[in-house]
Amino acid sequence: DAGITQSPRHKVTETGTPVTLRCHQTENHRYMYWYRQDPGHGLRLIHYSYGVKDTDKGEVSDGYSVSRSKTEDFLLTLESATSSQTSVYFCAIMNSYEQYFGPGTRLTVT
Amino acid sequence: AQKVTQAQTEISVVEKEDVTLDCVYETRDTTYYLFWYKQPPSGELVFLIRRNSFDEQNEISGRYSWNFQKSTSSFNFTITASLVVDSAVYFCALSEPHRDDKIIFGKGTRLHILP
Repeated sequence: DAGITQSPRHKVTETGTPVTLRCHQTENHRYMYWYRQDPGHGLRLIHYSYGVKDTDKGEVSDGYSVSRSKTEDFLLTLESATSSQTSVYFCAIMNSYEQYFGPGTRLTVT
Repeated sequence: AQKVTQAQTEISVVEKEDVTLDCVYETRDTTYYLFWYKQPPSGELVFLIRRNSFDEQNEISGRYSWNFQKSTSSFNFTITASLVVDSAVYFCALSEPHRDDKIIFGKGTRLHILP
C-alpha cells in the first residue's frame, strides 16, 4: 500500500462545468502523475509533477490543468468538462523507479 | 521515441494451461525500465515487476515468470498453470529515467482463464 487516495471515487457532471480531482499521498514522494484510462487506449499520461509547483504536460494534456501546492496533494482540473473526458482517472507516485497507483476516479460527463 | 506494443488484445485459455503475454518495446536509450502491471476486474492497478535494462536475467515468482531479451526488444510474461483468479488485463510499460520517469504503457492484454 503506497498510501495514495483519490477523491471523489465517482463523479457525474454536466458538459461545461469545472471539475477538480484530488490525489493525496502520505509518504512524501516527489513525483506524482495523472493518467486516464480508456478502452482500447490503455493508460495515457495527462500531466505529472516533479515537485511542489513543478509540473509538466503528458501526451494528452489538452483540456486539463494541474496544481501542486503541497507535496502530498496533486490536483487535476477540467476547466470545462466535455463528454470526451469521460474516463477513469488514475493518480500515481514514483517510489524507487516503481510507479504505484491510486484506486482511480470514474468520471462521467453528460 | 518510446513505444510499447502488446499485440495480443485478448487471450482465453482453460485453467491450468500455461499462457504467455507478449510485450515489445522501442526506446533509443540504453538505460530504461520495463514493468508489468495487473488490473483485475475490480479495477485497481497492481505492480508486478520492474526490470532494468542492464539486467537480462529471467525472473520467476511463483507461477509467474518474465523473459527479457534485449536482442528482440521483448519482455514477455508467462503464467504457468493458470488459475481463474489470473483473469485480468495485463499492461506492459516502459520508462526512461532521464525523462522524469514518465511511464509509457502498452494498450494491455485482456486474459480470460476459463474454468
